[in-house]
Amino acid sequence: NAGVMQNPRHLVRRRGQEARLRCSPMKGHSHVYWYRQLPEEGLKFMVYLQKENIIDESGMPKERFSAEFPKEGPSILRIQQVVRGDSAAYFCASSPGEKNTEAFFGQGTRLTVV
Amino acid sequence: GQNIDQPTEMTATEGAIVQINCTYQTSGFNGLFWYQQHAGEAPTFLSYNVLDGLEEKGRFSSFLSRSKGYSYLLLKELQMKDSASYLCAVMDSNYQLIWGAGTKLIIKP
Repeated sequence: NAGVMQNPRHLVRRRGQEARLRCSPMKGHSHVYWYRQLPEEGLKFMVYLQKENIIDESGMPKERFSAEFPKEGPSILRIQQVVRGDSAAYFCASSPGEKNTEAFFGQGTRLTVV
Repeated sequence: GQNIDQPTEMTATEGAIVQINCTYQTSGFNGLFWYQQHAGEAPTFLSYNVLDGLEEKGRFSSFLSRSKGYSYLLLKELQMKDSASYLCAVMDSNYQLIWGAGTKLIIKP
């Protein structure tokens, strides 16, 4: 039973490019959470999704950021026109139910904007 | 606003005991989590407390006092591999996890 899979592990983008981060939840998990972690800081909630639905996007910046979790395939966090301040580790967690008490984390994607 | 406070950094000696404190103020409470995170890696689950008291799991124990908005993680018989950041997180009334900034624990021989 594979854990939460995120790819790529490392992503380098030039300012203005697009970044796509992928997250495949654990088998049997239909709830996905995205978090951002800046160096020396805690995780900041971004968005909570179920299959084909965004449940809570209160932590997502209003512009340039979007997330989806289609019926088939991984969840995608998309950042358009990246800026240096987007450089961070982006973690995905999945859980089997809505109460998030059994969330497991992926290894993260480290985005570097140059 | 919601707030989780924990010390930024602590240092302890191999074989000793260390207690990492966490205080919180959140809108609602559905449990408190402790995670361990080694540099460059994903957080891994350590403990979950929803009722007052002490939960013991091997070398690690976690305590919760809901009336005081306070928890601690106790690590015994410290090993070098315990050098990591320890993240405190509280689940609020919407079942969202609110995270502290983490405590970096440095173990010295």
